[in-house]
Amino acid sequence: QKEVEQDPGPLSVPEGAIVSLNCTYSNSAFQYFMWYRQYSRKGPELLMYTYSSGNKEDGRFTAQVDKSSKYISLFIRDSQPSDSATYLCAMVYNQGGKLIFGQGTELSVKP
Amino acid sequence: GAVVSQHPSRVICKSGTSVKIECRSLDFQATTMFWYRQFPKQSLMLMATSNEGSKATYEQGVEKDKFLINHASLTLSTLTVTSAHPEDSSFYICSARDFSTAGGKHEQYFGPGTRLTVT
Repeated sequence: QKEVEQDPGPLSVPEGAIVSLNCTYSNSAFQYFMWYRQYSRKGPELLMYTYSSGNKEDGRFTAQVDKSSKYISLFIRDSQPSDSATYLCAMVYNQGGKLIFGQGTELSVKP
Repeated sequence: GAVVSQHPSRVICKSGTSVKIECRSLDFQATTMFWYRQFPKQSLMLMATSNEGSKATYEQGVEKDKFLINHASLTLSTLTVTSAHPEDSSFYICSARDFSTAGGKHEQYFGPGTRLTVT
């Protein structure tokens, strides 16, 4: 069993839709959670960083963490074609700095 | 802020030659940098963790004599692929951890990647 599970998609939505991206994890030792966006042939770009259960909002993006269920989500409101990319969840243990990545979900927002 | 650069962005080399890739943190100090490899449609695979002034820590299955890592300063780490072969062709990405901001110990910022093609 992988430490972090993420549906690879692809996920296709119409412009303006609300997108929900999810990851589950098996180890309760994970304390810090991140979402990255990666455009094709580019490096990942940090979107959201959270460390406590609950919601964190930044513009059209909301990151949600449920540590009791070992489940994290990223919501994108009013999705735009420019949001088309691969979204990677990542998490890290309390002690070390090694990121554990999900497989990434490929998102396509159609005009 | 928190910009990481990589050079070159793309390189083509002949089999048997060595290639050096540079990773720089432009506006922050990074005591730790990470090197990843990514195959098409796949997630990032951590190759090694590079700490300034000490030897890199390699992940299981990564040949340290083939992938030489040097982290000579707080803003520069290099990855040298020695005696490259076609199977080394891949997208190599570095990242750096910014310790300067509150709560920044676990945020990592990635470079734009280097596409290596070995012919």
